Parts: sequence; structure tokens; C-alpha cells
Amino acid sequence: EAGVAQSPRYKIIEKRQSVAFWCNPISGHATLYWYQQILGQGPKLLIQFQNNGVVDDSQLPKDRFSAERLKGVDSTLKIQPAKLEDSAVYLCASSPGVSGNTIYFGEGSWLTVV
Amino acid sequence: RKEVEQDPGPFNVPEGATVAFNCTYSNSASQSFFWYRQDCRKEPKLLMSVYSSGNEDGRFTAQLNRASQYISLLIRDSKLSDSATYLCVVRVSGSARQLTFGSGTQLTVLP
Repeated sequence: EAGVAQSPRYKIIEKRQSVAFWCNPISGHATLYWYQQILGQGPKLLIQFQNNGVVDDSQLPKDRFSAERLKGVDSTLKIQPAKLEDSAVYLCASSPGVSGNTIYFGEGSWLTVV
Repeated sequence: RKEVEQDPGPFNVPEGATVAFNCTYSNSASQSFFWYRQDCRKEPKLLMSVYSSGNEDGRFTAQLNRASQYISLLIRDSKLSDSATYLCVVRVSGSARQLTFGSGTQLTVLP
């Protein structure tokens, strides 16, 4: 079974530029998550989708971050404009349901803002 | 105060040693508990769930103390392949929100 796919794997941008990350969850998984993991910290939830609706985006910095999940399958996370403190790994994850105890992560998109 | 707190380590232990990690959580409404493992530059993966009565999975034993709001993970007979960061994870009761992760405890098993 194919896992969670993410791209690009690595991205280096200058501050104030924009970047977009793409995620394709495991087939059939209704719930999709975007996490931010800063070096030395645990993953922090940015946004959670159930199908194509937002369940929780309380920790998403909405002035610069946006995410969408059109058609309830793949998703895009955008940062515009990027700040130095956005340097992190952006992990996409999926689970079969909204209360799934096991979530499956993709390999992550590594962002460096210089 | 962080919702989930862990000693960051690092823990450096010889092969064959027994090592234990603790984790505390602040929300008494937390209902579900897990340990995830994260290898260097890799994604987190579920290691095991933690049940109220405690549970084992091979060399790994997880315990939960609801009164003191802490969770533990014991690794017996450590292997080199156990070297990783161990993330303590909780879910709050009644919340559709996903899991809240601790910052992780780094373990290095030395030959």
C-alpha cells in the first residue's frame, strides 16, 4: 500500500518569498493533517481536514499560511511571505477517520528560509 | 506549561542496557496515549499505544499513571537499532483534534 506522498522533499528560499508544499494521503483516508516540526521539537499541528472541510486550524498562522484540500484528496500548504522562523520540516499525515489513533506521516518537506 | 513534557536527553546507553523514559501531560482530560518513534531525518511512526493497565510489546513496556499524569516507556536489552527519538503523544477526550506531541527524548545505543 502506498504511503503518504509529499513534494518537494527539500526547498531553500529567501525570506519574503513564497513556497508551496503538496501532499497526497493514503488512499481512502478521510483525514489529512499538516504538521510543522522545528528542529529539536515535536510536530505541531497546523491544520486538520476531514474530507475537504477544516476541522482545526487554530494553530495555523493565517496571515502567512494557507492550506486547501480540494476534492477531499490531496492538499497544498502555502507560505507567503516566508520568515526565517518558518524553517522546519512540514509533515503531512493522514488517518482513516477523524479520531484515528494512528496517523501515518509522509517523509516531510524540509524548508530552509535564508 | 507545555501540554506534553519530556526529558530531551540525550540518553546514551550500552547495548543490552535497560532504559526508561518518562513523560508528563498537563490536561487531565487526556484520554489516549502513545509512543511514537522518529529516526534521524525520518517521519514519526507509531511504536505502541499505552493502556491503563500497562502493556508490553516484545522488549518495550509502556505504563500509564493517570493520578500523576505521566507515561513511561521501558526498553529492555537495548539494540543499536533502538537509537532514535521517542515522542510521547496524547489525545484529549472528546476532542476531534489529533494528537499532541512532546518534544521527544533522544536515545543512542552504543556498541
